[in-house]
Amino acid sequence: SQQGEEDPQALSIQEGENATMNCSYKTSINNLQWYRQNSGRGLVHLILIRSNEREKHSGRLRVTLDTSKKSSSLLITASRAADTASYFCATDSPNFGNEKLTFGTGTRLTIIP
Amino acid sequence: DAGITQSPRHKVTETGTPVTLRCHQTENHRYMYWYRQDPGHGLRLIHYSYGVKDTDKGEVSDGYSVSRSKTEDFLLTLESATSSQTSVYFCAISEGSGSRSYEQYFGPGTRLTVT
Repeated sequence: SQQGEEDPQALSIQEGENATMNCSYKTSINNLQWYRQNSGRGLVHLILIRSNEREKHSGRLRVTLDTSKKSSSLLITASRAADTASYFCATDSPNFGNEKLTFGTGTRLTIIP
Repeated sequence: DAGITQSPRHKVTETGTPVTLRCHQTENHRYMYWYRQDPGHGLRLIHYSYGVKDTDKGEVSDGYSVSRSKTEDFLLTLESATSSQTSVYFCAISEGSGSRSYEQYFGPGTRLTVT
């Protein structure tokens, strides 16, 4: 079964607006990662947040992690047409090691020019 | 795509035939992975390797086997392809050490259709 589940499944916003995606997971983790997938391409790593971190920034990306609620959010500020893609969270497990990831089903983000 | 190639990129095959997909990396990363991606399921791990000749099963390993005889190559074999194995297959790698050890880098994918 999937460890991570993203919400919403699909999101459409106007260019320039902020986009927020959420990820919930079921068991303890060491790290949570976010990936982007453009149509027809492989996934690209965006950001990793460790279980002892609450917030992390990278450019226009802001990730938060709440281990008590087993949830994470990805915020993309000032969205651009090029941000149109699917976004996946991925978690590891203390039981299986950091090298094995379980991916969620993704949020499909569409930026309307 | 971070020095990862997959071959073939597209393949159509008939039910019952054997199929081998190849993943080749030039990064000398320790870990290599095979995933399948299907609508509504996200990415699911099939098998992964943590070194030459060292492999382990993932979530959806039935009907698949793998081999890794060299650091740079990881092969995925469908011994007798079935229609349920129609999917997009992604290879990924990760270093396994250092500050970016847990980040995975993905290949471009192989679209496999079993008729």
